[in-house]
Amino acid sequence: ETGVTQTPRHLVMGMTNKKSLKCEQHLGHNAMYWYKQSAKKPLELMFVYNFKEQTENNSVPSRFSPECPNSSHLFLHLHTLQPEDSALYLCASSQLDRVGQETQYFGPGTRLLVL
Amino acid sequence: AQKVTQAQTEISVVEKEDVTLDCVYETRDTTYYLFWYKQPPSGELVFLIRRNSFDEQNEISGRYSWNFQKSTSSFNFTITASQVVDSAVYFCAGFGVSNYQLIWGAGTKLIIKP
Repeated sequence: ETGVTQTPRHLVMGMTNKKSLKCEQHLGHNAMYWYKQSAKKPLELMFVYNFKEQTENNSVPSRFSPECPNSSHLFLHLHTLQPEDSALYLCASSQLDRVGQETQYFGPGTRLLVL
Repeated sequence: AQKVTQAQTEISVVEKEDVTLDCVYETRDTTYYLFWYKQPPSGELVFLIRRNSFDEQNEISGRYSWNFQKSTSSFNFTITASQVVDSAVYFCAGFGVSNYQLIWGAGTKLIIKP
């Protein structure tokens, strides 16, 4: 089984909808990440969870709500999104060491289109 | 502030040519880590290599090779005898121990023409 899985792979939603993205890692890692990748823009880190605790929130709007019930699962709950939120959402996981350095392994991403 | 610069936005070569992708990591840290990832059209970011700042040995993996120059903080990536399947966006990233965050370059789109 692939190391990091994401569902759904594609999602189309209206601005009033509520949906959730799911990520699961099978690598035994202790940290998980959400990234946003928009066309023509650099990769943007959204959230970081370390041992299920959120350690990073890069000024992400509250219409994005992460949830990390355990070290293997990560969700991104979406509500009242805007068209500019259309992007590829990537999940990653890593094993943080004492230094905090890690190699991040990515899932295939969810392509989100907000109409 | 830390910064990763990939000066080449897009490179297009004909199959079997060699191609080098440039990456420069600006940091005040003496200890840091550099990465290369490949993103094919499917979207998944595939890890290629991780290099420590205190290890200046070049690395070769099949047709891929990486050249790290600590004096210039450059970590260039060369594909020898390129193939159409190498077409992708390649990202360089850096992690400085003082920042505790992986900093990404903007990516280089590589097009290999048959």
